[in-house]
Amino acid sequence: AQSVAQPEDQVNVAEGNPLTVKCTYSVSGNPYLFWYVQYPNRGLQFLLKYITGDNLVKGSYGFEAEFNKSQTSFHLKKPSALVSDSALYFCAVSPLGGTYKYIFGTGTRLKVLA
Amino acid sequence: GAGVSQSPSNKVTEKGKDVELRCDPISGHTALYWYRQSLGQGLEFLIYFQGNSAPDKSGLPSDRFSAERTGGSVSTLTIQRTQQEDSAVYLCASSSNSGTEQYFGPGTRLTVT
Repeated sequence: AQSVAQPEDQVNVAEGNPLTVKCTYSVSGNPYLFWYVQYPNRGLQFLLKYITGDNLVKGSYGFEAEFNKSQTSFHLKKPSALVSDSALYFCAVSPLGGTYKYIFGTGTRLKVLA
Repeated sequence: GAGVSQSPSNKVTEKGKDVELRCDPISGHTALYWYRQSLGQGLEFLIYFQGNSAPDKSGLPSDRFSAERTGGSVSTLTIQRTQQEDSAVYLCASSSNSGTEQYFGPGTRLTVT
């Protein structure tokens, strides 16, 4: 079965330190990969995506993600965390690319400590 | 421009009642999706509309759930004879025909008492 895993329910990081939120997937073919962020009582906001090309993609608010095909991973990163980055982060995969339904990871709560 | 809107933002209903949740996608977006976010199940796909094609209903959890999309725009998700396990946040998203990412609405929080 196709699946997306976010192995950490919560990640704590000190403000100013680099952060990583992990995502691995089990989907055949060449899926499209996405990261979304959710603030309390809000919908999901798009951060970035990988379709093809350079394995390091840059997105909103200084976030970036690294695609690793051999490890089927798409980890979210930021060089210097801000307290305002504290939120719930979701990795999503579109198995057939383009306009198609997502498979979501279970979410990782990021807490940035001042 | 305007994003995806959903109404109501909150809905409390008694077990056994029917509810309707509404989604207004971004103008011009051909694809529309419904997802459910609940504590025990995370984010799960429910149904997907693409243009005039038959919808992909593969994620609907039971025949109490149905959805329609009128005129290729507004969509309504209907839950009949609601159960307590239907309590969740229902999220709608839309995407353009040429786009790849989905844009999400703020969700409707459904509470079944």
